[in-house]
Amino acid sequence: DTAVSQTPKYLVTQMGNDKSIKCEQNLGHDTMYWYKQDSKKFLKIMFSYNNKELIINETVPNRFSPKSPDKAHLNLHINSLELGDSAVYFCASSRYRDPPTEAFFGQGTRLTVV
Amino acid sequence: AQTVTQSQPEMSVQEAETVTLSCTYDTSENNYYLFWYKQPPSRQMILVIRQEAYKQQNATENRFSVNFQKAAKSFSLKISDSQLGDTAMYFCAFMTNSGYALNFGKGTSLLVTP
Repeated sequence: DTAVSQTPKYLVTQMGNDKSIKCEQNLGHDTMYWYKQDSKKFLKIMFSYNNKELIINETVPNRFSPKSPDKAHLNLHINSLELGDSAVYFCASSRYRDPPTEAFFGQGTRLTVV
Repeated sequence: AQTVTQSQPEMSVQEAETVTLSCTYDTSENNYYLFWYKQPPSRQMILVIRQEAYKQQNATENRFSVNFQKAAKSFSLKISDSQLGDTAMYFCAFMTNSGYALNFGKGTSLLVTP
């Protein structure tokens, strides 16, 4: 069974469209994340949720809206897609304490906006 | 703010040789965790090794070992007996005991040649 799974793996869409990426973890972790990896491979945290509560919201345009219906799911919805949104988006999860664990990553979603 | 610096954008090593990847970090906290992740061309983020700051002993995982110098805030990764499959981007990452996200360095692209 895949520990952290995100869908779709690839997403090609036109500017202005709205799209969602889904993420699910079956590890029983209490913290989930969205990271963006740009063309230079830099990984930047976008959002962090702990027990469904938003903890970290980096300087991300409000066109990006995460939704955590329960502890095992953290979806990312993007409105009015722009060319600069093209990147690889990674979902990850971890246990926050007692003791904290490393982050386990999904396989990434390559988003291409044309 | 916590920062992670990897000063070697690219490195190359011959098969069976040893290579060391550098990482320094900056934090004012005393409890934290350090990680090395590997990202092969498949894009999957794979944990290579982790180190808890309170442990003085350097972590080791088979051919991978770290040199953790807490006072110098340095966390280098040594890969012994390099294999072609070690070709990948390597990311150093840092997480505090009170934080909710991994902060990544910009990565080192390692090429293992025959």
